[in-house]
Amino acid sequence: DTGVSQDPRHKITKRGQNVTFRCDPISEHNRLYWYRQTLGQGPEFLTYFQNEAQLEKSRLLSDRFSAERPKGSFSTLEIQRTEQGDSAMYLCASSLGGQGGYTFGSGTRLTVV
Amino acid sequence: DAKTTQPNSMESNEEEPVHLPCNHSTISGTDYIHWYRQLPSQGPEYVIHGLTSNVNNRMASLAIAEDRKSSTLILHRATLRDAAVYYCIPFGSGAGSYQLTFGKGTKLSVIP
Repeated sequence: DTGVSQDPRHKITKRGQNVTFRCDPISEHNRLYWYRQTLGQGPEFLTYFQNEAQLEKSRLLSDRFSAERPKGSFSTLEIQRTEQGDSAMYLCASSLGGQGGYTFGSGTRLTVV
Repeated sequence: DAKTTQPNSMESNEEEPVHLPCNHSTISGTDYIHWYRQLPSQGPEYVIHGLTSNVNNRMASLAIAEDRKSSTLILHRATLRDAAVYYCIPFGSGAGSYQLTFGKGTKLSVIP
């Protein structure tokens, strides 16, 4: 297993368009997390899944943001009607329960023009 | 969440030891102290964590104060690849813990 994979690495979109990012976690990890990071700041928690259940989503930034993990494996994060303020790095991480360390992917950098 | 205080930036010469401090005076008795680092254009990378005793692994050592209000991440011989932002994060160990709360961290520069 090569770690957490995120696709695409970079995305440029026009304001108002919808975008979807994919995350493939480490296969034996049951938890999957999404974070957002803006320039000069630490990552900010958005949501997490345990298997296919989304156990926390109150930190999603608005109702334009949604995430799924349909079969408890890969996950997608969708942003509808993108705004310039959505420009950021979107990071995915996975873990086995709440123990030990989280493994992060390299992120998807979104630029909204 | 416990509040943490870290220096904004630090410098080290290559091959010298580096001590990165973190204050977490409001940490709860059951929170572990986790350290992550983030290299440029990468996601954060787990470094080490501990509860009360000092911890060592292949990447670093973690020294935890007896009162647990502070800790120090020790890189024994800094290399250019250690240049990164280092984050200190108190984190619970229970099944209900899930959110890593990142501050701004310490940006470590390594001088050749």
